[in-house]
Amino acid sequence: SAVISQKPSRDICQRGTSLTIQCQVDSQVTMMFWYRQQPGQSLTLIATANQGSEATYESGFVIDKFPISRPNLTFSTLTVSNMSPEDSSIYLCSVGGGRGTYGYTFGSGTRLTVV
Amino acid sequence: ILNVEQSPQSLHVQEGDSTNFTCSFPSSNFYALHWYRWETAKSPEALFVMTLNGDEKKKGRISATLNTKEGYSYLYIKGSQPEDSATYLCAFHSDRGSTLGRLYFGRGTQLTVWP
Repeated sequence: SAVISQKPSRDICQRGTSLTIQCQVDSQVTMMFWYRQQPGQSLTLIATANQGSEATYESGFVIDKFPISRPNLTFSTLTVSNMSPEDSSIYLCSVGGGRGTYGYTFGSGTRLTVV
Repeated sequence: ILNVEQSPQSLHVQEGDSTNFTCSFPSSNFYALHWYRWETAKSPEALFVMTLNGDEKKKGRISATLNTKEGYSYLYIKGSQPEDSATYLCAFHSDRGSTLGRLYFGRGTQLTVWP
């Protein structure tokens, strides 16, 4: 299965600033997924990123707040823009097994605290 | 929004005890049910991906069952060890074309095994 390197692993940021999270995959993958887990909540899908096209955002998430880049089949970034304390969460990238029966592979997560 | 429920929210057991958790999910548009183990500061790790009603899967001391007609899955751990301490997540994988590839997660069951 794929191996994902995600960074940074954690950060403490001032409100109003932006943070870019990077995920590098050791193989080419079509779809990458970005998730968020707020304290006490479930892992929630932010968007699906396909190479060469605009990311598809889930209800409640917008491109201006969470711009995503997918320049090639092994790399993606998620930016958390104009941060507020409500953005304090764990952010995870993931690549999936598609229609197969293999579990999805996740990055190790970015623990973000906004002060 | 698909609703995936897990219970209990947290569980504390003694080393050697056996335990089980529940995941309930929609019984329509089912493609697969995933179980993950998520240890602090690590990536979620896939345990099982189950697709057929009545499926039972086993990995060492951990096993899982699936009932797609009534929309539930059980995860069992036999003879719990301290290294089993983690959050166990289940995720519903929809069969609907517009949601292909997306996983809908429960909030997880946080297991602590005391030596």
